Amino acid sequence: DIQLTQSPSFLSASVGDRVTITCRASQGINSYLAWHQQKPGKAPKPLIYAASTLQSGVPSRFSGSGSGTEFTLTISSLQPEDFATYYCQQINYYPITFGQGTRLEIK
Amino acid sequence: EVQLLESGGDLVQPGGSLRLSCAGAGFTFSSYPMNWVRQAPGKGLEWVSIISGSGDSSHYADSVRGRFTISRDNSKNTLYLQMNSLRGEDTAVYYCVRRSDTALDIWGQGTLVTVSS
Repeated sequence: DIQLTQSPSFLSASVGDRVTITCRASQGINSYLAWHQQKPGKAPKPLIYAASTLQSGVPSRFSGSGSGTEFTLTISSLQPEDFATYYCQQINYYPITFGQGTRLEIK
Repeated sequence: EVQLLESGGDLVQPGGSLRLSCAGAGFTFSSYPMNWVRQAPGKGLEWVSIISGSGDSSHYADSVRGRFTISRDNSKNTLYLQMNSLRGEDTAVYYCVRRSDTALDIWGQGTLVTVSS
């Protein structure tokens, strides 16, 4: 199975900050990586797929990059509604796997 | 509006069975592979299973293979998950999720399954 390791697992930041979350895959997954945002008690919301393509309606402050085994999610200027947990997910191989999550909290 | 609506979650005893349903609306249901993804209380996301648009192929996570069966009825725009031999570790919110090309792009609101005596 492909293991996805996110870093950091916890991040404290302020409104307006630029933050980056990294996702490393245990083996190459081409660009078949997605990012999801989840708020407490809610279903995950897809943000990015194919490593760097924004889902419809996602603000442009979100961006993704990478290929192979290392990927990043960047939020260029944090807004209050961005404080949530973020998961990476690969779809190149079965089983589909998720990272353990990065919890982003307000400093 | 494209949406997925799960139902069927309940409290069930260990060793028991349960069937979840997911109704799709606003899109051509049969054109899309569909997934189940679960989330145990306070934990991360775990993929459970996927079925092709036609229903002729499927894959499972090792943790559920042999106990859970995914199926679909495209005439009813409905996805199912039959869960047998349930264990405490199957306690989770179960989400129905559409796959579009390389993305899991539409999530339902989830249905809670609790396995406890």
